[in-house]
Parts: sequence; C-alpha cells; structure tokens
Amino acid sequence: EVQLVESGGGLVQPGRSLRLSCAASGFTFDDYAMHWVRQAPGKGLEWVSGISWNSGSIGYGASVQGRFTLSRDNAKNSLYLQVTSLRPEDTALYFCAKARGAFWSGPDDAFDVWGRGTMVTVSS
Amino acid sequence: QPVVTQSPSASASLGASVKLTCTLSTGHITYAIAWHQRQPEKGPRYLMKVNSDGSHTKGDGIPDRFSGSSSGAERYLTISSLQSEDEADYYCQTWGAGIWLFGGGTKLTVL
Repeated sequence: EVQLVESGGGLVQPGRSLRLSCAASGFTFDDYAMHWVRQAPGKGLEWVSGISWNSGSIGYGASVQGRFTLSRDNAKNSLYLQVTSLRPEDTALYFCAKARGAFWSGPDDAFDVWGRGTMVTVSS
Repeated sequence: QPVVTQSPSASASLGASVKLTCTLSTGHITYAIAWHQRQPEKGPRYLMKVNSDGSHTKGDGIPDRFSGSSSGAERYLTISSLQSEDEADYYCQTWGAGIWLFGGGTKLTVL
C-alpha cells in the first residue's frame, strides 16, 4: 500500500523552530519528487515547498522562502521540512504529497498521493 | 500572477449529478489541472488530471462516477450518482509562475 505518514508537528512559540518528517512506503521513493502543502484552519490548500527526486532542485512558496528548508533522505525513504522563525500565520495542517513525476516543477506533475497531515500551531 | 478560481460551494441531491468548475486565468488556458478531494478529517485524495483537450487520467481506485472534461479556460469535475461520502471539499491544482497553485476549493453538500 502506498502511504505517507507525517510527524513532528506541535504547539510552538512564535520565532521558534520545528522539523517535520514524512515517512514514505509502498513505492520507489527516489523515483519521485515530493512536496509539502499546508492548510490553515478554515482556509484552502497552499503549496509550501517541493524537491526533485535527487534533491537537485528545490522550490518554495513566497510566504516561506528563507524560513523553511526542504530536504530528503532517499536511503531512509523520508522527507523533511525544517521550519524556522515561525509566525502565527504558519499555523496549519501540513501535508506531505508525492508528485506524479521526478521533478517538483512543471505543469504535468501534480500530486497523486497525500498523507493525513501533522498539525503545527504557532502561539505564545 | 496566474489565478485558479473555483466557486466556494455547490450542492446536489443524493443520486443526482454535479459538475464542479475550475477556471484558469488568461495565459494559462492550455494548462492541465488536477482535482483533489478532501473529506472531513482525512488527507486529500488525488482524483484525476484533466488536460486542455478534455482528456483525463484518474487516480488508482477512483470510481467511474468521477469524470473530467474541459472547455476553453474551464476544467470540470463531474460526479454522477452522488453518494453521501462525496460530501467534501474539492480543489483544483495547476502550475503557474514557477509555483504550484490551488483554487480556493468548492465545498460540495449532498442533500
């Protein structure tokens, strides 16, 4: 069964950091690009970041550029999102998603597998 | 900045059909989109990719009741024989200006 399981969320104070993880199983992880997408309470989906199959290319949404760092470990079938300088507006459910292709960018490789998410709450 | 627009809500009766619309901004009308379903308390589920020519490729296990089509800048998701579990938020996704974009989502109510 193809599966993505996120972890690492929690309640954190503004300005602090967290490391989100995504464990993948049921598919050849290093064949595909991976992404993080978030959903703030009562809001829609927002793309956060994507990484190509070999980490050769990484992209970020404007709202997290410079604060979040995406990485992957193909040997461990895992995806990571280091989130720093957290703000209240980063409060959201963070989903890990698998791309349909090897590269994170381009119009043909939307996301075809999703996890259930891990909640990040930024509050003092 | 490209925009992907969806109506915020839709409703239809149990057993009926509904057609949801995703509208692409000018300059992106040749782009494909993906439809995703988000049921309450669950992660999103990929439904299908819809190309500008109306062809579509469904995800694994997606029932035949779900289909896609296109007309100009609009991409459609049609759900027939509505069931109670189809009550969910539906999002379209496309690529534009170097980022992935999601529409605001359509909340489908099954009456």
